[in-house]
Amino acid sequence: DAKTTQPTSMDCAEGRAANLPCNHSTISGNEYVYWYRQIHSQGPQYIIHGLKNNETNEMASLIITEDRKSSTLILPHATLRDTAVYYCIVRVPKLTAGNKLTFGGGTRVLVKP
Amino acid sequence: EAQVTQNPRYLITVTGKKLTVTCSQNMNHEYMSWYRQDPGLGLRQIYYSMNVEVTDKGDVPEGYKVSRKEKRNFPLILESPSPNQTSLYFCASSKLGGNEQFFGPGTRLTVL
Repeated sequence: DAKTTQPTSMDCAEGRAANLPCNHSTISGNEYVYWYRQIHSQGPQYIIHGLKNNETNEMASLIITEDRKSSTLILPHATLRDTAVYYCIVRVPKLTAGNKLTFGGGTRVLVKP
Repeated sequence: EAQVTQNPRYLITVTGKKLTVTCSQNMNHEYMSWYRQDPGLGLRQIYYSMNVEVTDKGDVPEGYKVSRKEKRNFPLILESPSPNQTSLYFCASSKLGGNEQFFGPGTRLTVL
């Protein structure tokens, strides 16, 4: 899995968009970008994933640069419940090792009223 | 509702007393895994299973056992728990090669 770099922490105002960057300059052609989040001591939660096109679902949008070396997760209208650690992971969905996930340090996002 | 359930959610026990943490999923997923999460060490895979009666070691299997007799269940067994197994444990499941993994709510285990 390619290495990712994320800011350690960031604050966001409630109701505003939260833009979470992720650098993955060594990504290879068949690796996807995934985002998960973990609200304090709860189980990690899948948010979104993409290969090269921008993606949107009910939770967030994922913008991947044309060279695929970085991406941004956008939470369009952050709420207090979005306070969590957000993990950017770059990997190929594995048919071995139980589809193991490896989380790096992540970005600790604090949504403030 | 699609979910992964774990029981118990919290457990305090003593060294050497065998325990089992249950995990069940209702999504007919082939893959199931157990992870432990410790401060500063992130999420580490203990064991995984790719289907019924197929299990394999993850990165930190020592001191743990698992079984997969039914597709929906994947219990984690600590035959003789020790204090270094004090941790937050998560069970996860996914489809074969699936993009989305579903995690249980976690089991906080303390071994005294």
